[in-house]
Amino acid sequence: SQKIEQNSEALNIQEGKTATLTCNYTNYSPAYLQWYRQDPGRGPVFLLLIRENEKEKRKERLKVTFDTTLKQSLFHITASQPADSATYLCALESYGGATNKLIFGTGTLLAVQP
Amino acid sequence: DAMVIQNPRYQVTQFGKPVTLSCSQTLNHNVMYWYQQKSSQAPKLLFHYYDKDFNNEADTPDNFQSRRPNTSFCFLDIRSPGLGDAAMYLCATSREGLGLAGEIQYFGPGTRLLVL
Repeated sequence: SQKIEQNSEALNIQEGKTATLTCNYTNYSPAYLQWYRQDPGRGPVFLLLIRENEKEKRKERLKVTFDTTLKQSLFHITASQPADSATYLCALESYGGATNKLIFGTGTLLAVQP
Repeated sequence: DAMVIQNPRYQVTQFGKPVTLSCSQTLNHNVMYWYQQKSSQAPKLLFHYYDKDFNNEADTPDNFQSRRPNTSFCFLDIRSPGLGDAAMYLCATSREGLGLAGEIQYFGPGTRLLVL
């Protein structure tokens, strides 16, 4: 069955360092992958989308890589700030029904210490 | 600002008492989704509407129903809430179905449901 894995343990880093979060998947061949940020008690907010033919995508301090051979995406936040503390979810599309749907990982909690 | 609105933000209901959660959107998107998210878990898709077409997930309990009377509004009805239905319920929209273009989803703030 299709499966998405993200580090269930919280990632604690110091302010100014680069945070790297991992998303691994099995039994998928997604055309693209998305990353969302979720703050406590709030809905997820879209951050970045990367397609299977793109190796890397950047947006300000964010960078996403997508390795379809390894079936893995890495999400990097450079020069991290305490305000970056949140849960980060990866999501892949799954085909089915009239429309496709997103399957989310459980997320990784990032805590940036000042 | 165009957005996805969910009301109420917190809902308390009694075991077995029907409850309705509402979602509205000003984005004029064709697709509306309902997710259930329990603590430290991934959002789990319950069902979605593509325009007026309802798409139920195979593992969504019959206890959960949905209505979409028009483009802007979508409701989640829980006919007989059980203790296990306590969760955050998230509404989301996308302009079109996902397909190969990679539509992103816009989420509301969620409704936290507590079942007593």
